[in-house]
Amino acid sequence: GNSVTQMEGPVTLSEEAFLTINCTYTATGYPSLFWYVQYPGEGLQLLLKATKADDKGSNKGFEATYRKETTSFHLEKGSVQVSDSAVYFCALINDYKLSFGAGTTVTVRA
Amino acid sequence: EADIYQTPRYLVIGTGKKITLECSQTMGHDKMYWYQQDPGMELHLIHYSYGVNSTEKGDLSSESTVSRIRTEHFPLTLESARPSHTSQYLCASSEFRGSGYNEQFFGPGTRLTVL
Repeated sequence: GNSVTQMEGPVTLSEEAFLTINCTYTATGYPSLFWYVQYPGEGLQLLLKATKADDKGSNKGFEATYRKETTSFHLEKGSVQVSDSAVYFCALINDYKLSFGAGTTVTVRA
Repeated sequence: EADIYQTPRYLVIGTGKKITLECSQTMGHDKMYWYQQDPGMELHLIHYSYGVNSTEKGDLSSESTVSRIRTEHFPLTLESARPSHTSQYLCASSEFRGSGYNEQFFGPGTRLTVL
């Protein structure tokens, strides 16, 4: 079956620090990979996506590269802001079913 | 503007009441989904639909039921709410197309508390 494992949180950073959230997956075939973000009190929003190996998704300064050889899709941002405080979910879609990681809570301090 | 809506956003209700959580999308998507998000933040698929008159159970067993009479509407019903149903419920939709990119779009969620 499909599964997603992401780095446990919570993660607390200072503004302008570098953020990495690790994500690895297990799936048959060729899944599409996603990072979703959930800001306090809000629903899930798609942050970025990658649909095939070596694709790099990017949005709002965040990046993640689809690495089939290591079955990974790590999220990175070079300089975080307080407004990046949220819960981040790694996810994959395979055969129309979306599988989520457990979520990583990120808090950025001013 | 194409979007996905959920009402109510917050609901506090007593044990034994019947409730319906509404979900509507204006994107013309065929597939719709309900997820339950527990306090630990994990999301679990409880129902999904391929289109009108199609409903399927998800990975997590749920006492709720769903219906899909119109493409844009996918309500979730609890016949008799219990405290164990307290959770956040997220509705999502996606296009029904071939392999590859089939992103799901999420509504804002309904936070349900059963006393």
